[in-house]
Amino acid sequence: GAGVSQTPSNKVTEKGKYVELRCDPISGHTALYWYRQSLGQGPEFLIYFQGTGAADDSGLPNDRFFAVRPEGSVSTLKIQRTERGDSAVYLCASSLTQGDTDTQYFGPGTRLTVL
Amino acid sequence: GNSVTQMEGPVTLSEEAFLTINCTYTATGYPSLFWYVQYPGEGLQLLLKATKADDKGSNKGFEATYRKETTSFHLEKGSVQVSDSAVYFCALNTGFQKLVFGTGTRLLVSP
Repeated sequence: GAGVSQTPSNKVTEKGKYVELRCDPISGHTALYWYRQSLGQGPEFLIYFQGTGAADDSGLPNDRFFAVRPEGSVSTLKIQRTERGDSAVYLCASSLTQGDTDTQYFGPGTRLTVL
Repeated sequence: GNSVTQMEGPVTLSEEAFLTINCTYTATGYPSLFWYVQYPGEGLQLLLKATKADDKGSNKGFEATYRKETTSFHLEKGSVQVSDSAVYFCALNTGFQKLVFGTGTRLLVSP
């Protein structure tokens, strides 16, 4: 079946602009995660949804970052007033349930470049 | 806090050599442990996992054993191939749903 998809694959924006990154999880997966991967580093957790609600947003770096999942499927990560330090690959993952043993399946990522 | 430490790369090997990539962790409770792999130009893929002490995860000739006494989850393969060249990430999940990753180890295998 189809895996996790993310759009766009690349996004170039100017400092101060607003961007939205979209994630389509695997059909039927109730849990959805966003991570950020900087160059040469491992992914870092941003936010986790169980259904429509954000169960843990402790990884969001500041209030410029916000994510939604209104119907419990597609999610959008929103970044306001982008800064050069926001440049990274943003990864989305989904899992069937929220158990700690459950495999998280990752999408290909969106590479965000803030000029 | 929870953390994962991996050996620094790159690890450079000739084809058919034995591979070990070290991974140690610090965690509260009893985490599940994972190895993910990122091939050039591709997304993260689960390679193997182990959910309790002494479990061995295996896939595609790779193995890792969950060692609670040494808090380790070292990745091994008996004979690497050029196609194994990738970045390997060790990760843990303590039950709070978020994966904690190491910084990754790049493996380069030459013919």
